[in-house]
Amino acid sequence: EVQLVESGGGLVKPGRSLRLSCTASGFTFGDYAMSWFRQAPGKGLEWVGFIRSKAYGGTTEYAASVKGRFTISRDDSKSIAYLQMNSLKTEDTAVYYCTRPRTRGVVITAIDYWGQGTLVTVSS
Amino acid sequence: DIQMTQSPSSLSASVGDRVTITCQASQDISNYLNWYQQKPGKAPKLLIYDASNLETGVPSRFSGSGSGTDFTFTISSLQPEDIATYYCQQYDNLPLLFGQGTKLEIK
Repeated sequence: EVQLVESGGGLVKPGRSLRLSCTASGFTFGDYAMSWFRQAPGKGLEWVGFIRSKAYGGTTEYAASVKGRFTISRDDSKSIAYLQMNSLKTEDTAVYYCTRPRTRGVVITAIDYWGQGTLVTVSS
Repeated sequence: DIQMTQSPSSLSASVGDRVTITCQASQDISNYLNWYQQKPGKAPKLLIYDASNLETGVPSRFSGSGSGTDFTFTISSLQPEDIATYYCQQYDNLPLLFGQGTKLEIK
């Protein structure tokens, strides 16, 4: 059974950094791209970014709203994906979801596995 | 960026009703569209992929149709457990984008 468990969320001041972790199990982690989404309180879903598998270069893509501030990485030996969030803003407050998307080559198609989410609150 | 316009934003219907939600893309996205259900406090769940394919294990009262710019999601007979917010999502181009969501309530 595929399981994705996020950790690392919490309260952080604007301008500070936070790193989220996503521990995966139930599949061969290194074979899959991993992606992060977020949902601000009472709002809709927003794609944050993703990292391809090593077979596709392990490259990353980001939403414009986080590009240059957020970094996605992976440790295939530990089956963990990371979301490093720097220069946090109040508008980054959201539940952050780790996902294992379906892909066709280098392209993400659908998101069929989601973690339970972890809340990040950016406030002074 | 592609824009996704989903309507209505909210919908109230009775058990047994046929419910329809639409999603319009600002440009041709072929059939690169998915539909998700999200219940309060839970992660989204994939219901329909590639515009019209039912995800394994999803009840057959859910269906999707459309291609190009106009897409429709239908619940043929609304059940109490279908109360949720529904989202469309395009994957023709980055950024991956969702519609604004449709909150479905029981009348």
